[in-house]
Order: sequence, then C-alpha cells, then structure tokens
Amino acid sequence: ETGVTQTPRHLVMGMTNKKSLKCEQHLGHNAMYWYKQSAKKPLELMFVYNFKEQTENNSVPSRFSPECPNSSHLFLHLHTLQPEDSALYLCASSQVSGGSSGANVLTFGAGSRLTVL
Amino acid sequence: DAKTTQPTSMDCAEGRAANLPCNHSTISGNEYVYWYRQIHSQGPQYIIHGLKNNETNEMASLIITEDRKSSTLILPHATLRDTAVYYCIVRVVDGGSQGNLIFGKGTKLSVKP
Repeated sequence: ETGVTQTPRHLVMGMTNKKSLKCEQHLGHNAMYWYKQSAKKPLELMFVYNFKEQTENNSVPSRFSPECPNSSHLFLHLHTLQPEDSALYLCASSQVSGGSSGANVLTFGAGSRLTVL
Repeated sequence: DAKTTQPTSMDCAEGRAANLPCNHSTISGNEYVYWYRQIHSQGPQYIIHGLKNNETNEMASLIITEDRKSSTLILPHATLRDTAVYYCIVRVVDGGSQGNLIFGKGTKLSVKP
C-alpha cells in the first residue's frame, strides 16, 4: 500500500448508529488532517494532528470524535449523526518541520462517502 | 491568510494549453501559492507551489507576477483527464503553524474533445 488509504469508501448509517472512519498513511508523515466536503461546498478543515497531538479543532460538533493513536493512523468516530452530516470525508497527511522551512504539501486519500439516514 | 479569487468555470480544447488565473492581491511576503485539483469524487491532488519564482514540474507550470498579486497555472497540453476543479490557495508557513490549507470554491475546468 502506498499513499493515504481510507476505509470504508462508502458508509450508510442511521442516526443512532456508532461507526468509525479509518485513515492510514504510508508516507512517513508526521501530520494528519480530517476534511469534510458537503455537496457543492468547499472543503472544510475539521481536525489537525501534528506528531499525534491535536492542534486544531474547527468548531466541530462533539458527535465527531477524532483519534490519532500514532503518526500513521487517524480515526474519526461517529455517533448520533444528523442527515446534514452526509458528506465526503477526506483524510490527508503531510510532513511538517519545526521551523519556517518551506511549504506544506498535503497528500489526500480518496475519501469516505458517508450517508446518514 | 490572503483570500484568493478564481473564475468559477473555464473550458479548454483538448491538446491546447489551459491557463487558469488566480488573484491574491492581499498576499503577504511569507505566503506560498499552492495549486491542487480535485477530479470528481476523488481526493484533492497536489499540483505545484511557489513563493516568488516561476515553477515547473511534470504536471504544470506556475507563473507568479512580480508583485505576487496574481498567478497563473498552466497545463501545457490539456487532456480529457485534466477535467477537474482547480484550487488556488495561499498560506503562510511559519515556525508555529505549518500551514493548514483552506480551500475555496476553485475553478471547474472542462476539457473538451
């Protein structure tokens, strides 16, 4: 496996279900991200993890719970979602350094298409 | 971060060069210009980035004006597989924040036979 892998690719869940999205990166990167893309809307940054520590949470509702057990894996735990949470959820990774050493290039996975009934 | 302005959509004939403009008139001296594209129902794909100088790689060329207030992404020989939404993003990179990229609406490029 190479790049950024997301599973499942498609998920249908009821409003009372609990499910998880998984992301794995095989690039040796130290930062991982969750983005949400709703129909006809720009990508929205949800969470950022640098060196396994969450560094950004863009006012995401608590029904979305991220987990980053190590620098290669990122999960998004879902519970009691609403139909408006139906979207494409994209994971990305990048290699960041401590100084102002250059650009931050993200590698994205193919996404998990979530439908909440 | 500086805001970017891109046309909503553009058409290009297959085999011709596609020139995608981006305005970023409020860009700061330490902000990079990035270009990504997103083919339908896939994750965004990095294309190229630059700070001041023009850049070229196997996918595209990036032309940044001398005052850095605008840039143009050039796909030299567009193919049908280049049909996608193209995002121009500017973002500062400093010692504290490593530049989480914020995407706008982009330009939908349609390459036609």
